[in-house]
Amino acid sequence: GQQVMQIPQYQHVQEGEDFTTYCNSSTTLSNIQWYKQRPGGHPVFLIQLVKSGEVKKQKRLTFQFGEAKKNSSLHITATQTTDVGTYFCAGPRNFNKFYFGSGTKLNVKP
Amino acid sequence: DGGITQSPKYLFRKEGQNVTLSCEQNLNHDAMYWYRQDPGQGLRLIYYSQIVNDFQKGDIAEGYSVSREKKESFPLTVTSAQKNPTAFYLCASSIGDSSGANVLTFGAGSRLTVL
Repeated sequence: GQQVMQIPQYQHVQEGEDFTTYCNSSTTLSNIQWYKQRPGGHPVFLIQLVKSGEVKKQKRLTFQFGEAKKNSSLHITATQTTDVGTYFCAGPRNFNKFYFGSGTKLNVKP
Repeated sequence: DGGITQSPKYLFRKEGQNVTLSCEQNLNHDAMYWYRQDPGQGLRLIYYSQIVNDFQKGDIAEGYSVSREKKESFPLTVTSAQKNPTAFYLCASSIGDSSGANVLTFGAGSRLTVL
């Protein structure tokens, strides 16, 4: 069945360094969503990508959707301690069900 | 403010007991979901409901039951048949249509510990 794989599982960076997490699907996705979960918190929606090759930016965060719509990435430029958390990608099986990646846990050392 | 309310936030249960987790939303969303999260892992779908009086099994439904008698409410019962129930349980809702705006809004979660 459809799976969404996410790497790396953990990433430790020094504050100011960049960070990237990658998401890969075994099948073409109609769209992909990204969520952030702060330690002890719940996932919060960040963004949705729909078009092939789409790139969206939110301040220091850049999201990309691959040309084949099978992979996606989230890049954070110059990380800050407020970026700490786990980042999940999610791809729909149908419009009402989502496969979640296993998440990338980001730790930022001040 | 619109949102999703889960209760209780923390719950302790003895082995062999059933426990029900509450989830209420005032977002007027049609679709509701229950996910389970284990440490260091992603979210796994337990049950979901697209409309009142209808629900579907997710990937790990065994040992769980749900009901959807009202649009606003989607309680989850963790039964004694669930072999490893200690986990963080997240309820979510979405518009539930195919408009492309179908994103998930999560509650704060319920942390269940079996003693």
